[in-house]
Amino acid sequence: QITLKESGPTLVKPTQTLTLTCTFSGFSLSTSGVGVAWIRQPPGKALEWLALIYWDDDKRYSPSLKSRLTITKDTSKNQVVLTMTNMDPVDTATYYCAHRNCISGSCYDYYGMDVWGQGTTVTVSS
Amino acid sequence: SYELTQPPSVSVSPGQTASITCSGDKLGDKYACWYQQKPGQSPVLVIYEDTKRPSGIPERFSGSNSGNRATLTISGTQAMDEADYYCQAWDSSTFYVFGTGTKVTVL
Repeated sequence: QITLKESGPTLVKPTQTLTLTCTFSGFSLSTSGVGVAWIRQPPGKALEWLALIYWDDDKRYSPSLKSRLTITKDTSKNQVVLTMTNMDPVDTATYYCAHRNCISGSCYDYYGMDVWGQGTTVTVSS
Repeated sequence: SYELTQPPSVSVSPGQTASITCSGDKLGDKYACWYQQKPGQSPVLVIYEDTKRPSGIPERFSGSNSGNRATLTISGTQAMDEADYYCQAWDSSTFYVFGTGTKVTVL
């Protein structure tokens, strides 16, 4: 059974750097094809994809946020970390991590994200 | 940047068919997924690769994608299907893009 759980600060000040951790179980990020993504959702608004890291340490970022994001993994700890610099009140949102869907051992980006964490709410305010 | 547009809301009577559209430039050339999100919960994948259902998703959920539009169809809609639905497109250039979301109300 795959599970993911996000953790990090609930409140950050403008201009600060946000660091979020996704701790997962039920799969290994050293297994070929596996990936973990970060997605956020401002209150009452739509989902927004942020970043994805693959088993081979390849990374993809949202073009609009690329300059502010860094995604890393710690395979031994079963964790993925997302950092976002220069936080602003518009970054207030629930942040989710999610597992890249695999079917019968085959994993493709167009399979979507099949298991999501419960989300962690981050408020940006002075 | 690539954008996906959905109607803000769709209303449907129990037992009837709900169709939720997702519009984007040449969307049919990309792959589409659909997610269901109930209040206070995380999204759930209901359709991937345009038409396929993950294990455990009822057969009443189906998808299509052609031209500039992808469609999620819920046949025999039940009260439990009341939720927000998001389309999501993928291709190697735009990567992941989510739609604006549609609130489905079962009246």
